[in-house]
Amino acid sequence: AQRVTQPEKLLSVFKGAPVELKCNYSYSGSPELFWYVQYSRQRLQLLLRHISRESIKGFTADLNKGETSFHLKKPFAQEEDSAMYYCALNPRAGSYQLTFGKGTKLSVIP
Amino acid sequence: DAGVTQSPTHLIKTRGQHVTLRCSPISGHKSVSWYQQVLGQGPQFIFQYYEKEERGRGNFPDRFSARQFPNYSSELNVNALLLGDSALYLCASSFLQGVPNEQFFGPGTRLTVL
Repeated sequence: AQRVTQPEKLLSVFKGAPVELKCNYSYSGSPELFWYVQYSRQRLQLLLRHISRESIKGFTADLNKGETSFHLKKPFAQEEDSAMYYCALNPRAGSYQLTFGKGTKLSVIP
Repeated sequence: DAGVTQSPTHLIKTRGQHVTLRCSPISGHKSVSWYQQVLGQGPQFIFQYYEKEERGRGNFPDRFSARQFPNYSSELNVNALLLGDSALYLCASSFLQGVPNEQFFGPGTRLTVL
């Protein structure tokens, strides 16, 4: 069975500091990996997915199959980045049966 | 388009009762997935439906059931409610099955079991 681990429940950084939200996964196949974000009083929304290799709102994430990690990074945190971040795994591309981590709450201090 | 909509927004039930939650996907989306999010945890997959057929089921007891209608809307039913069923129930829709594309989430239904 697949598992997604986000070791930090809460991460506090100062505005302008680098951010790294950690995500490790366990799955024997070739999964899709995602980062979802939930801003205060908003619904869960996709931030980025590993297959697109995009940078969204300054965030990037690289899939490291050797370390089974998909850490989310941003060089300079902004106050509007404060939110709940979830790493998620899809066991098969297009199956939409996601396994989520427990989430990390990012707090950016002004 | 209002996005994925769910009803009701909030619901209070007592142990042993039955509940039905409803989801309307984004227009044109044929896949609907249901998730349970307990306070302090990430969403947990319950069911996925595509073209009215069940395509996946998570590790939930048979008290949980779902269906998808010809207009692609969906219902999640939970029988014999337990205190532990208290959670936010999320519905998500996507356009196609088998092709990577975005899954859009609804605002959720907050179920409280007393």
